[in-house]
Amino acid sequence: GESVGLHLPTLSVQEGDNSIINCAYSNSASDYFIWYKQESGKGPQFIIDIRSNMDKRQGQRVTVLLNKTVKHLSLQIAATQPGDSAVYFCAEIHNTNAGKSTFGDGTTLTVKP
Amino acid sequence: NAGVMQNPRHLVRRRGQEARLRCSPMKGHSHVYWYRQLPEEGLKFMVYLQKENIIDESGMPKERFSAEFPKEGPSILRIQQVVRGDSAAYFCASSPTVHGAEQPQHFGDGTRLSIL
Repeated sequence: GESVGLHLPTLSVQEGDNSIINCAYSNSASDYFIWYKQESGKGPQFIIDIRSNMDKRQGQRVTVLLNKTVKHLSLQIAATQPGDSAVYFCAEIHNTNAGKSTFGDGTTLTVKP
Repeated sequence: NAGVMQNPRHLVRRRGQEARLRCSPMKGHSHVYWYRQLPEEGLKFMVYLQKENIIDESGMPKERFSAEFPKEGPSILRIQQVVRGDSAAYFCASSPTVHGAEQPQHFGDGTRLSIL
């Protein structure tokens, strides 16, 4: 069945360092992957996405890497800032289930000043 | 340009009562999705609706839960005869067309439901 999981539930980094958050997925037919950021008391906020036919996509201070061979997804945050402290979720969509995102359980990122 | 609006933000009910959660999608969005989030877990898909139609309810419990998205007004998630296990945060998301590649969902800030 489908599942999306994260390697570590918590990650603590020093301000200014780079952060890497990992995600493993099991559905090799997934078409599209998304990273979300969720702050306390708020809903998930879209960060960056990637199609399954891509290996890498870059945004502002963030990069998503997709390794389909090992079904692994990562989110890299450059020069991590205190405002980046939040829970990060990966999610996947299969086009035959368009409309339905399957979320992992999240990694809590804490940025130390 | 208002985002997805959910109300109430917090809802307390006693066991056996009914809970009604409302979601107003972003302007121009006709696709609505409901998710449930338990503490320290990811969001779990419940139902996907388009105006007046339920498209996918594969994540909805078979009993006590229902959802609607009428032609006019907000989408409603209704939970009848609530039990303690229904305590969770319920999130609504919307999109202008079906959520998929490069058509992200926009989430509201959720309704936190507590059952006494």
